[in-house]
Amino acid sequence: EPEVTQTPSHQVTQMGQEVILRCVPISNHLYFYWYRQILGQKVEFLVSFYNNEISEKSEIFDDQFSVERPDGSNFTLKIRSTKLEDSAMYFCASSGRGNNSPLHFGNGTRLTVT
Amino acid sequence: SQQGEEDPQALSIQEGENATMNCSYKTSINNLQWYRQNSGRGLVHLILIRSNEREKHSGRLRVTLDTSKKSSSLLITASRAADTASYFCATDFYGGATNKLIFGTGTLLAVQP
Repeated sequence: EPEVTQTPSHQVTQMGQEVILRCVPISNHLYFYWYRQILGQKVEFLVSFYNNEISEKSEIFDDQFSVERPDGSNFTLKIRSTKLEDSAMYFCASSGRGNNSPLHFGNGTRLTVT
Repeated sequence: SQQGEEDPQALSIQEGENATMNCSYKTSINNLQWYRQNSGRGLVHLILIRSNEREKHSGRLRVTLDTSKKSSSLLITASRAADTASYFCATDFYGGATNKLIFGTGTLLAVQP
């Protein structure tokens, strides 16, 4: 069964550094998402992406965050200048067409900002 | 703001028993979804129930939805040790962006062998 893959599985970075989290969504999916989960807290929506542009973003997704689909397969999340509070598990997801298409999640990238 | 809340927060049962988890939410929805998360792993989609459906089955899973009470329940029958995981409900609220899911706080299920 096709799956969403994320790399790296764990990223450690220093405060103020830029990080890029990478995802390969399921190939025939049209909608792409980033969610995050701070340790012990809820899974939170960050951004959705469709037709090469952001569909919606949450209040968390400020100017420090950006997403890109640089080619036909990868979907990236960039954090320009990381803060301690950005430490979390970041999940990429993709879905097919329509309101009732379930999300397929990757296994996540654990980002630790020191 | 919309929020999903599950109860109980934690549930411990013996293998073979049934496990029931509940979820409440606040606003109108397109659908409600249940996901499972093993420790340190991604979320796995279990079942989706649309706002015009009242009950849905998938294998050992049974989901109900009561839109008048804004609540849903997930029943896992004949539980196995491998069912040990966190279970989350997530709502796709009406009028929102497609699949901008709002996740609940989760129920941590422990199935003792």
